[in-house]
Amino acid sequence: GENVEQHPSTLSVQEGDSAVIKCTYSDSASNYFPWYKQELGKGPQLIIDIRSNVGEKKDQRIAVTLNKTAKHFSLHITETQPEDSAVYFCAASNPNTGGFKTIFGAGTRLFVKA
Amino acid sequence: DADVTQTPRNRITKTGKRIMLECSQTKGHDRMYWYRQDPGLGLRLIYYSFDVKDINKGEISDGYSVSRQAQAKFSLSLESAIPNQTALYFCATRGQGEDTEAFFGQGTRLTVV
Repeated sequence: GENVEQHPSTLSVQEGDSAVIKCTYSDSASNYFPWYKQELGKGPQLIIDIRSNVGEKKDQRIAVTLNKTAKHFSLHITETQPEDSAVYFCAASNPNTGGFKTIFGAGTRLFVKA
Repeated sequence: DADVTQTPRNRITKTGKRIMLECSQTKGHDRMYWYRQDPGLGLRLIYYSFDVKDINKGEISDGYSVSRQAQAKFSLSLESAIPNQTALYFCATRGQGEDTEAFFGQGTRLTVV
């Protein structure tokens, strides 16, 4: 079946440094790639998304890049802050097929050390 | 108030017991989902519903059942709970397309002893 691989599973950075999380997907027809942030005791919340007609998207300190040829996309967080500490999930969606259409990665636990 | 509300937030139950997890949403969306989260496995889809009359199995539906009582309500049942169903469960809702934001509840932590 289709899958999304996410790396690393754990990432520890110093406050102010950058963090990069990478995902690879298998369904070449996927065209929507959201990133969710899950803080302790809460449900995942969308932080940024990108569609397949765009190669890069930026929102303040976070950015996402997409390489459709290689079927991978990445989340970049610059100038990390302690409040960025959370679990991050990537996902890939193919709206055009039957069955369940959004596959999530396994998650990356980010620690930002003050 | 939260867009997606799950009850209970925490539950401990015994093996073999029937348990229901409830979810309600105020987004007015038709699509609703139940996910299970386990460490290292991410979010795996249990069941999903695209409208009140539509129920579909997801990746890991064995041992679970669902009921879509109304557009806003989607409940998950474990008919006979077993210890390996111990996990964090999330309900979510989404607008018309799969390429739209999913809104998640705060989760139900279920422990089966």
